[in-house]
Amino acid sequence: LAKTTQPISMDSYEGQEVNITCSHNNIATNDYITWYQQFPSQGPRFIIQGYKTKVTNEVASLFIPADRKSSTLSLPRVSLSDTAVYYCLVGMNTGFQKLVFGTGTRLLVSP
Amino acid sequence: DAGVTQSPTHLIKTRGQQVTLRCSPISGHKSVSWYQQVLGQGPQFIFQYYEKEERGRGNFPDRFSARQFPNYSSELNVNALLLGDSALYLCASSLAEGGGSYEQYFGPGTRLTVT
Repeated sequence: LAKTTQPISMDSYEGQEVNITCSHNNIATNDYITWYQQFPSQGPRFIIQGYKTKVTNEVASLFIPADRKSSTLSLPRVSLSDTAVYYCLVGMNTGFQKLVFGTGTRLLVSP
Repeated sequence: DAGVTQSPTHLIKTRGQQVTLRCSPISGHKSVSWYQQVLGQGPQFIFQYYEKEERGRGNFPDRFSARQFPNYSSELNVNALLLGDSALYLCASSLAEGGGSYEQYFGPGTRLTVT
């Protein structure tokens, strides 16, 4: 499983766009990139998943360059409720794949 | 539809005791995974079960065991509790079909405190 590196913490203000970058230099050909969000004392929640280029859903966008050695989670116009820990995961796209979480990025959104 | 449910919500045990945690997956999901999350760290994989069979095991001692029932619910058992077992125990369910989504759905967790 590819190892990921992401910033330990980030600060932002309400209404701003937040970009969290994840490095995964040894990503394999069959690996997908997935982001989870976790609030205190809750289980992680799936945000978005992608393989290459750009993926967008109602919550976020995921940008993946051609070499796929990094990815950027973009949260548009964050609110206080976006304060959470964000995890970047890399692995094969099968249901039997165990999820390997790093320490994640703690995002603090202030008024 | 109900999400993943776990019981109990909180639990306090003494060192050396045994504990059983329970999980009910989302209806239609046949795979259940267990994770341990120590404060300040990301969740760590313990077990995955699919169709009542163990499909994966993380780097945890034999004091940890689990099983899955015909209705796909699952139990996690931890024997001879240590202080270091204090953590949030998370259960996640997924469809677990080959080539399916990487998305797993997590429950709210059981907060275990060992004193």
